[in-house]
Amino acid sequence: AQTVTQSQPEMSVQEAETVTLSCTYDTSESNYYLFWYKQPPSRQMILVIRQEAYKQQNATENRFSVNFQKAAKSFSLKISDSQLGDTAMYFCAFMSQAGTALIFGKGTTLSVSS
Amino acid sequence: NAGVTQTPKFQVLKTGQSMTLQCAQDMNHNSMYWYRQDPGMGLRLIYYSASEGTTDKGEVPNGYNVSRLNKREFSLRLESAAPSQTSVYFCASSEISRSGRSSYNEQFFGPGTRLTVL
Repeated sequence: AQTVTQSQPEMSVQEAETVTLSCTYDTSESNYYLFWYKQPPSRQMILVIRQEAYKQQNATENRFSVNFQKAAKSFSLKISDSQLGDTAMYFCAFMSQAGTALIFGKGTTLSVSS
Repeated sequence: NAGVTQTPKFQVLKTGQSMTLQCAQDMNHNSMYWYRQDPGMGLRLIYYSASEGTTDKGEVPNGYNVSRLNKREFSLRLESAAPSQTSVYFCASSEISRSGRSSYNEQFFGPGTRLTVL
């Protein structure tokens, strides 16, 4: 069975700094999808970034980028120029190509302060 | 487009009471899901429906039933609520592609229902 591990329950960063959130996963499959979701205090789940495992190039979305290391089964999220609005819980999630549902990590609470 | 909507947003039940959580999506997605979120546990899949007319159990199905009423609607029912079912419940929908080279598979989430069982 696939598992997703986020080893940092809480992190904090100052505005304008860069922070990296860690995620590792376990699977025997070669094709799959990885996601980072953001959950602000409003509770809404918001997709931040997505990576298809067959793509070697790391995904980027504005200030958000990932470091996808397929052999190491690692999928970290880097947030550049952190903003107060980035304060949220961040979830790493895995979806197999054959599966339909997301498997989530336990989340990392990120606090951005001024 | 409203996306994924859920009702109610909050609910308090007594042990043994029943209730149905409603979910609807207007994105014409085939697949719909119910997750629960507990502190320190992340989101866990309760049930899902890959397409209209089909439903399957997820990781934590005990104590729940679901109905895929039509393509738009997917309801979750608690027949006899227990304190262990106190949680935040999320509905989601997606369009699944198995082509291997697709940019689909993103799940869109509703705003969640906070349920407390006393």
